[in-house]
Amino acid sequence: SQKIEQNSEALNIQEGKTATLTCNYTNYSPAYLQWYRQDPGRGPVFLLLIRENEKEKRKERLKVTFDTTLKQSLFHITASQPADSATYLCARRNQGGKLIFGQGTELSVKP
Amino acid sequence: DAGITQSPRHKVTETGTPVTLRCHQTENHRYMYWYRQDPGHGLRLIHYSYGVKDTDKGEVSDGYSVSRSKTEDFLLTLESATSSQTSVYFCAISEGVEANEKLFFGSGTQLSVL
Repeated sequence: SQKIEQNSEALNIQEGKTATLTCNYTNYSPAYLQWYRQDPGRGPVFLLLIRENEKEKRKERLKVTFDTTLKQSLFHITASQPADSATYLCARRNQGGKLIFGQGTELSVKP
Repeated sequence: DAGITQSPRHKVTETGTPVTLRCHQTENHRYMYWYRQDPGHGLRLIHYSYGVKDTDKGEVSDGYSVSRSKTEDFLLTLESATSSQTSVYFCAISEGVEANEKLFFGSGTQLSVL
């Protein structure tokens, strides 16, 4: 099966620090990895995607890396703020073309 | 939420009763999906649609059926609800299914089966 795994333990960090979330996948390398943000009581919202031949992608304070050797993507939020507190999901298309999601990592940024 | 409306937002029902959840989109996207989200499992695909009257199963389709009679509406039916179907259900849409296509989600329906 084509699994995608995220650290299910919540990540607690101090405001201003960099948050780093991990996404690991198995089997064949996806052409893209996607990252979503989900707030309580809401549906996920797309943030960023990174292509397999891109080492790094940035959007404002967000940075995503993609390491096909390690089969891993890292999601960084620099200068984190309490408003960044949410659950972050990574996702990939499986060989059938369906988008499958990791369990998500809950991030809590304390002032 | 990108022109996606789910109804109802909350529902409590009894075991054995039929339940229908509705997803309505105003984006004219071809693809529509139903996911359920549970602690420890994340989002799992139930069914999806690739056009009017064209649907297919996802990874957790047992006990669920879907219908899509119009581009904008995608219905999820639990023929006889069970307690294991207590979950948060999300509808999503996309323009295509290429690897870089993103999904847009509705706000979800919290379903409790007692």
